[in-house]
Amino acid sequence: RKEVEQDPGPFNVPEGATVAFNCTYSNSASQSFFWYRQDCRKEPKLLMSVYSSGNEDGRFTAQLNRASQYISLLIRDSKLSDSATYLCVVNEGDGGSQGNLIFGKGTKLSVKP
Amino acid sequence: EPEVTQTPSHQVTQMGQEVILRCVPISNHLYFYWYRQILGQKVEFLVSFYNNEISEKSEIFDDQFSVERPDGSNFTLKIRSTKLEDSAMYFCASSTSAGRVYQPQHFGDGTRLSIL
Repeated sequence: RKEVEQDPGPFNVPEGATVAFNCTYSNSASQSFFWYRQDCRKEPKLLMSVYSSGNEDGRFTAQLNRASQYISLLIRDSKLSDSATYLCVVNEGDGGSQGNLIFGKGTKLSVKP
Repeated sequence: EPEVTQTPSHQVTQMGQEVILRCVPISNHLYFYWYRQILGQKVEFLVSFYNNEISEKSEIFDDQFSVERPDGSNFTLKIRSTKLEDSAMYFCASSTSAGRVYQPQHFGDGTRLSIL
Protein backbone atom coordinates (compact mmCIF):
# COMPACT_ATOMS: atom_id res chain seq x y z
CA ARG A 1 0.00 0.00 0.00
CA LYS A 2 1.39 3.36 -1.08
CA GLU A 3 1.41 5.85 1.78
CA VAL A 4 2.60 9.31 2.73
CA GLU A 5 3.17 9.83 6.43
CA GLN A 6 3.20 13.16 8.23
CA ASP A 7 3.19 14.34 11.82
CA PRO A 8 -0.37 15.66 12.25
CA GLY A 9 0.70 18.38 14.70
CA PRO A 10 -0.63 20.85 15.60
CA PHE A 11 2.43 23.02 15.53
CA ASN A 12 1.71 26.17 17.52
CA VAL A 13 4.36 28.83 16.90
CA PRO A 14 4.71 32.58 17.46
CA GLU A 15 4.93 34.99 14.56
CA GLY A 16 8.45 35.19 13.21
CA ALA A 17 9.38 31.65 14.20
CA THR A 18 10.98 29.11 11.93
CA VAL A 19 9.11 25.82 11.65
CA ALA A 20 9.92 22.59 9.83
CA PHE A 21 7.67 19.80 8.63
CA ASN A 22 8.73 16.37 7.51
CA CYS A 23 7.13 13.56 5.64
CA THR A 24 8.06 10.11 4.40
CA TYR A 25 6.67 8.25 1.42
CA SER A 26 6.59 4.53 0.76
CA ASN A 27 6.61 4.32 -3.04
CA SER A 28 10.16 4.41 -4.37
CA ALA A 29 8.80 4.83 -7.92
CA SER A 30 7.34 8.26 -7.17
CA GLN A 31 8.80 10.92 -9.43
CA SER A 32 7.07 14.15 -8.47
CA PHE A 33 6.76 15.74 -5.05
CA PHE A 34 4.78 18.69 -3.83
CA TRP A 35 3.72 20.66 -0.82
CA TYR A 36 0.15 21.91 -0.84
CA ARG A 37 -1.57 23.97 1.81
CA GLN A 38 -5.19 23.53 2.74
CA ASP A 39 -7.25 26.01 4.72
CA CYS A 40 -10.20 24.72 6.71
CA ARG A 41 -12.84 23.23 4.38
CA LYS A 42 -11.10 24.62 1.30
CA GLU A 43 -9.33 23.05 -1.65
CA PRO A 44 -5.64 22.08 -1.60
CA LYS A 45 -3.55 24.87 -3.08
CA LEU A 46 -0.11 24.28 -4.48
CA LEU A 47 2.59 25.79 -2.30
CA MET A 48 5.60 24.47 -4.17
CA SER A 49 6.99 21.58 -6.12
CA VAL A 50 9.97 19.82 -4.57
CA TYR A 51 13.02 19.19 -6.73
CA SER A 52 15.86 16.76 -6.14
CA SER A 53 18.39 19.52 -5.53
CA GLY A 54 16.13 21.30 -3.07
CA ASN A 55 14.44 24.58 -3.82
CA GLU A 56 13.44 27.81 -2.20
CA ASP A 57 10.53 30.18 -2.77
CA GLY A 58 10.74 33.23 -0.57
CA ARG A 59 10.36 32.13 3.05
CA PHE A 60 9.75 28.51 2.06
CA THR A 61 12.44 25.89 1.46
CA ALA A 62 11.77 22.32 0.38
CA GLN A 63 14.19 19.41 0.46
CA LEU A 64 13.99 15.91 -0.98
CA ASN A 65 16.02 12.88 0.05
CA ARG A 66 15.24 10.08 -2.40
CA ALA A 67 17.45 7.54 -0.65
CA SER A 68 15.53 7.97 2.60
CA GLN A 69 12.21 8.74 0.84
CA TYR A 70 11.91 11.84 2.94
CA ILE A 71 10.62 15.33 2.14
CA SER A 72 10.84 18.45 4.26
CA LEU A 73 9.42 21.95 4.29
CA LEU A 74 10.95 24.84 6.19
CA ILE A 75 9.03 28.05 6.79
CA ARG A 76 11.05 31.04 7.98
CA ASP A 77 9.69 34.19 9.61
CA SER A 78 6.23 32.68 9.89
CA LYS A 79 3.18 34.92 9.41
CA LEU A 80 -0.32 34.69 10.82
CA SER A 81 -1.47 33.95 7.28
CA ASP A 82 0.69 30.81 7.21
CA SER A 83 -1.79 29.14 9.57
CA ALA A 84 -3.15 26.18 7.60
CA THR A 85 -2.72 22.44 7.12
CA TYR A 86 0.32 21.54 5.04
CA LEU A 87 -0.09 18.51 2.81
CA CYS A 88 2.83 16.42 1.63
CA VAL A 89 1.91 14.99 -1.77
CA VAL A 90 3.66 12.56 -4.11
CA ASN A 91 2.61 11.13 -7.43
CA GLU A 92 1.73 7.47 -7.43
CA GLY A 93 4.10 6.05 -9.95
CA ASP A 94 6.57 6.49 -12.71
CA GLY A 95 6.05 7.68 -16.25
CA GLY A 96 3.72 4.77 -16.94
CA SER A 97 0.92 6.26 -14.86
CA GLN A 98 -0.89 9.54 -15.17
CA GLY A 99 0.53 11.01 -12.02
CA ASN A 100 -2.29 10.28 -9.60
CA LEU A 101 -1.49 11.96 -6.33
CA ILE A 102 -1.12 10.38 -2.93
CA PHE A 103 -1.76 12.77 -0.08
CA GLY A 104 -0.53 12.75 3.48
CA LYS A 105 -3.04 13.57 6.18
CA GLY A 106 -1.39 16.93 6.64
CA THR A 107 0.37 18.83 9.39
CA LYS A 108 -1.60 21.60 11.04
CA LEU A 109 0.22 24.86 11.68
CA SER A 110 -1.12 27.61 13.89
CA VAL A 111 0.85 30.87 14.02
CA LYS A 112 0.02 33.06 17.01
CA PRO A 113 0.56 36.81 17.42
CA GLU B 1 -4.79 33.38 -13.23
CA PRO B 2 -6.79 30.55 -14.83
CA GLU B 3 -8.55 28.28 -12.40
CA VAL B 4 -10.58 25.09 -12.16
CA THR B 5 -14.24 25.80 -11.44
CA GLN B 6 -16.74 23.41 -9.89
CA THR B 7 -20.51 23.47 -9.55
CA PRO B 8 -22.51 23.23 -7.41
CA SER B 9 -20.62 24.29 -4.31
CA HIS B 10 -22.97 22.27 -2.13
CA GLN B 11 -25.29 19.41 -3.12
CA VAL B 12 -27.77 17.80 -0.73
CA THR B 13 -29.33 14.57 -1.98
CA GLN B 14 -31.44 11.72 -0.68
CA MET B 15 -29.75 8.34 -0.43
CA GLY B 16 -30.27 6.30 -3.57
CA GLN B 17 -30.54 9.32 -5.85
CA GLU B 18 -28.18 10.12 -8.69
CA VAL B 19 -25.91 13.15 -8.55
CA ILE B 20 -23.76 14.82 -11.17
CA LEU B 21 -20.87 17.02 -10.12
CA ARG B 22 -19.51 19.40 -12.69
CA CYS B 23 -16.06 20.79 -13.34
CA VAL B 24 -14.49 23.09 -15.89
CA PRO B 25 -10.75 22.37 -15.99
CA ILE B 26 -8.13 24.92 -16.99
CA SER B 27 -8.45 25.31 -20.73
CA ASN B 28 -5.02 24.17 -21.92
CA HIS B 29 -4.78 21.24 -19.50
CA LEU B 30 -4.94 17.69 -20.80
CA TYR B 31 -5.24 15.54 -17.67
CA PHE B 32 -8.26 15.59 -15.43
CA TYR B 33 -8.85 14.09 -12.02
CA TRP B 34 -11.44 13.61 -9.32
CA TYR B 35 -10.53 13.31 -5.66
CA ARG B 36 -12.63 13.18 -2.56
CA GLN B 37 -12.06 14.15 1.07
CA ILE B 38 -14.28 12.80 3.80
CA LEU B 39 -14.49 15.27 6.68
CA GLY B 40 -11.40 15.02 8.87
CA GLN B 41 -9.62 12.59 6.57
CA LYS B 42 -7.03 12.84 3.84
CA VAL B 43 -7.63 13.62 0.19
CA GLU B 44 -8.12 10.40 -1.79
CA PHE B 45 -7.72 9.78 -5.52
CA LEU B 46 -10.79 8.56 -7.39
CA VAL B 47 -10.08 8.64 -11.12
CA SER B 48 -7.88 10.15 -13.80
CA PHE B 49 -8.94 10.96 -17.36
CA TYR B 50 -6.94 11.64 -20.48
CA ASN B 51 -7.71 11.65 -24.18
CA ASN B 52 -11.41 11.02 -23.54
CA GLU B 53 -10.97 7.90 -21.50
CA ILE B 54 -10.26 6.79 -17.97
CA SER B 55 -6.54 6.36 -17.37
CA GLU B 56 -6.65 4.98 -13.87
CA LYS B 57 -9.15 4.55 -11.09
CA SER B 58 -8.95 3.67 -7.42
CA GLU B 59 -10.83 0.94 -5.59
CA ILE B 60 -13.23 3.64 -4.37
CA PHE B 61 -14.34 4.28 -7.97
CA ASP B 62 -16.72 1.33 -8.30
CA ASP B 63 -19.57 0.72 -10.75
CA GLN B 64 -21.67 3.43 -9.12
CA PHE B 65 -19.25 6.08 -10.38
CA SER B 66 -18.70 7.32 -13.90
CA VAL B 67 -16.96 10.27 -15.53
CA GLU B 68 -17.58 12.03 -18.78
CA ARG B 69 -16.29 14.91 -20.82
CA PRO B 70 -19.46 15.73 -22.73
CA ASP B 71 -18.02 18.71 -24.57
CA GLY B 72 -14.74 20.57 -24.91
CA SER B 73 -14.89 22.22 -21.52
CA ASN B 74 -16.90 20.26 -18.93
CA PHE B 75 -15.76 17.22 -16.96
CA THR B 76 -18.40 15.49 -14.87
CA LEU B 77 -18.54 12.91 -12.10
CA LYS B 78 -21.76 10.93 -11.76
CA ILE B 79 -22.74 8.82 -8.79
CA ARG B 80 -25.64 6.61 -9.83
CA SER B 81 -27.16 5.56 -6.52
CA THR B 82 -25.71 7.53 -3.65
CA LYS B 83 -24.93 6.04 -0.25
CA LEU B 84 -24.48 7.74 3.08
CA GLU B 85 -20.74 7.08 2.91
CA ASP B 86 -20.50 9.10 -0.32
CA SER B 87 -20.86 12.26 1.78
CA ALA B 88 -17.61 14.13 1.26
CA MET B 89 -15.97 17.07 -0.45
CA TYR B 90 -15.28 16.23 -4.08
CA PHE B 91 -12.41 18.02 -5.79
CA CYS B 92 -11.74 18.23 -9.49
CA ALA B 93 -8.17 18.85 -10.62
CA SER B 94 -6.35 19.32 -13.90
CA SER B 95 -2.78 19.44 -15.11
CA THR B 96 -0.48 19.45 -18.07
CA SER B 97 2.28 16.90 -18.08
CA ALA B 98 5.84 17.07 -19.30
CA GLY B 99 7.41 13.67 -19.89
CA ARG B 100 8.11 11.73 -16.74
CA VAL B 101 7.96 14.73 -14.46
CA TYR B 102 4.40 15.62 -13.74
CA GLN B 103 3.25 19.16 -13.58
CA PRO B 104 1.34 20.13 -10.45
CA GLN B 105 -2.35 19.54 -10.36
CA HIS B 106 -4.57 22.54 -9.79
CA PHE B 107 -7.70 22.00 -7.76
CA GLY B 108 -11.15 23.47 -7.96
CA ASP B 109 -12.77 24.73 -4.78
CA GLY B 110 -14.82 21.58 -4.44
CA THR B 111 -18.40 20.38 -4.18
CA ARG B 112 -19.62 19.43 -0.75
CA LEU B 113 -21.92 16.43 -1.18
CA SER B 114 -24.27 15.64 1.67
CA ILE B 115 -26.30 12.43 1.48
CA LEU B 116 -29.36 12.26 3.73
